[in-house]
Amino acid sequence: AQSVTQPDIHITVSEGASLELRCNYSYGATPYLFWYVQSPGQGLQLLLKYFSGDTLVQGIKGFEAEFKRSQSSFNLRKPSVHWSDAAEYFCAVHKAAGNKLTFGGGTRVLVKP
Amino acid sequence: NAGVTQTPKFQVLKTGQSMTLQCAQDMNHNSMYWYRQDPGMGLRLIYYSASEGTTDKGEVPNGYNVSRLNKREFSLRLESAAPSQTSVYFCASRTDAISGANVLTFGAGSRLTVL
Repeated sequence: AQSVTQPDIHITVSEGASLELRCNYSYGATPYLFWYVQSPGQGLQLLLKYFSGDTLVQGIKGFEAEFKRSQSSFNLRKPSVHWSDAAEYFCAVHKAAGNKLTFGGGTRVLVKP
Repeated sequence: NAGVTQTPKFQVLKTGQSMTLQCAQDMNHNSMYWYRQDPGMGLRLIYYSASEGTTDKGEVPNGYNVSRLNKREFSLRLESAAPSQTSVYFCASRTDAISGANVLTFGAGSRLTVL
């Protein structure tokens, strides 16, 4: 069965600093990979996705993620965070031919002024 | 375009009571899903429906039932609520079109408290 691990439950970062959120997955083949963001009291919004091709993918709000097959990782990055980036971030994995999305436990990001 | 609409947004139940969470999407998506979100556990799939008339269990189906009433609507029912079902519930839908394959659109969530 596929699984997704987000090792960091909480991350605090200063506004303007860089941010990296870690995601590791367990799956036999290359899955489809996603990052979603959830602002307080809101549903989930897709930040970016990786299906195939270029392993560095660009998303909305200035985020990017890099797929590393050798490390089974799909880490999310932003060069300079804004106060509005304070939210919970979820990595998710989907088998190429499957019907179900498996989520990691989430990383809550706090942004200090 | 409303996307995915869930009702109610908040609900408080007593143990043993029943209730139904409603979900509707106006994007003509084939697949619909119900997830629950609990702190530190991410979102876990309760049930999903790949098309009208079909439903399948996810990771945590016990204590829940679902109905795919038509292509637009997918409801989640708690027949006898338990405190362990206190959670935030999210409905989602997915297109089967290649351009949007595997991307879920989520509703705003329904916060349920069982006392």
